Amino acid sequence: EIVLTQSPGTLSLSPGERATLSCRASQSVSSSYLAWYQQKPGQPPRLLIYGESSRATGIPDRFSGSGSGTDFTLTISRLEPEDFAVYYCQQYGRTFGQGTKVEVK
Amino acid sequence: QLQLQESGPGLVKPSETLSLTCTVSGGSISSTSYYWGWIRQPPGKGLEWIGSLYYSGNTFYNPSLMSRVTISGDTAKTQISLELISVTAADTAVYYCARGFRSGEYFDLWGRGTLVTVSS
Repeated sequence: EIVLTQSPGTLSLSPGERATLSCRASQSVSSSYLAWYQQKPGQPPRLLIYGESSRATGIPDRFSGSGSGTDFTLTISRLEPEDFAVYYCQQYGRTFGQGTKVEVK
Repeated sequence: QLQLQESGPGLVKPSETLSLTCTVSGGSISSTSYYWGWIRQPPGKGLEWIGSLYYSGNTFYNPSLMSRVTISGDTAKTQISLELISVTAADTAVYYCARGFRSGEYFDLWGRGTLVTVSS
């Protein structure tokens, strides 16, 4: 079973700053099957990125995904107030990472 | 527009069976392009994939829950069902159903979730 480890656990940043979130897999994962989700309190997760770097419908281009093999990254180029949330990676529609919380510094 | 709605008892006693239904409105559950999954989230914790049901009838379950879980579908009622037997307090969570896109194996549409508490 593939384990996904996200880091850091919490990222404290200010609006306008760049956020870099990491997702590391315990064994190689096809980038075609790596997805990122955003979750805000009291809401279901929302798909952000799929196929490692494709943005879901309606997702602004400040969100981007990259990586291959065992190391993947979600980048938010300039944080907007609505981007402060918890982010999860997922592989092959199954295992989730434990999440990274992006909070206001 | 396709919508997913989870329903079922909000309170289940320990050792009993948790049964939830996901009703899909505005579309079919029979498309070969999609599959259907259940995901749960204990209060204050992260997401845990429970299992997925494909059009072919194939099901895949989280190994940690495989011995206790069954996912099935009713195409006429456009419903996906979840059964989890022998529940304990550790099964207390918000349970989500979601639509998966087959070619990428990701969940692109989610229900709002339903909280199930396991307590006597």
